[in-house]
Amino acid sequence: DADVTQTPRNRITKTGKRIMLECSQTKGHDRMYWYRQDPGLGLRLIYYSFDVKDINKGEISDGYSVSRQAQAKFSLSLESAIPNQTALYFCATSDPWTGADTGELFFGEGSRLTVL
Amino acid sequence: AQSVTQLGSHVSVSEGALVLLRCNYSSSVPPYLFWYVQYPNQGLQLLLKYTSAATLVKGINGFEAEFKKSETSFHLTKPSAHMSDAAEYFCAVSDQLGGGFKTIFGAGTRLFVKA
Repeated sequence: DADVTQTPRNRITKTGKRIMLECSQTKGHDRMYWYRQDPGLGLRLIYYSFDVKDINKGEISDGYSVSRQAQAKFSLSLESAIPNQTALYFCATSDPWTGADTGELFFGEGSRLTVL
Repeated sequence: AQSVTQLGSHVSVSEGALVLLRCNYSSSVPPYLFWYVQYPNQGLQLLLKYTSAATLVKGINGFEAEFKKSETSFHLTKPSAHMSDAAEYFCAVSDQLGGGFKTIFGAGTRLFVKA
């Protein structure tokens, strides 16, 4: 089983619908992140959480919200989806406790969202 | 703020040829630098990372990268391309942020390997 699991892997929805993407991890890492990948733009940070009580906006948080339900779970919500939120979304984790803390990320397999 | 520039959104090489993927970064302090690889329908996985221990960094699958501070570069190379190397490659830099790091990615370079 994957260490970082994202559900759903694929979702097609309509404009205005509420969507939740879920991420769970078995790595025991405190830090979790949501990134968005668009062709030609690389990955951009939406939200990040350094522990259960810590939530921070990334560079493109407008239109998104998150919830850190537990150390192992970090969900991303689109309250009212719009077509330009069509993208590949990645959850990632990192661990500050393994010796040299460098910010190395461990990724899920991605959730492909299409908003019509 | 730090930034990462990858030169060339697409690179095509023949099987057995040298692979060179270019990455330049902007940073006011010694950075942590990474190359990640993304195979089709998969997440990103770490190829190699520079953490100031050595300027030439060896990674998985025969890849290596050299940190050149004077050129602010961290180019990725492999002496001989294999068909299985076809993927998208991302250069990234860690930016210290509060109690942790924020990783900034380049736009990515898709590598095509021709038989």
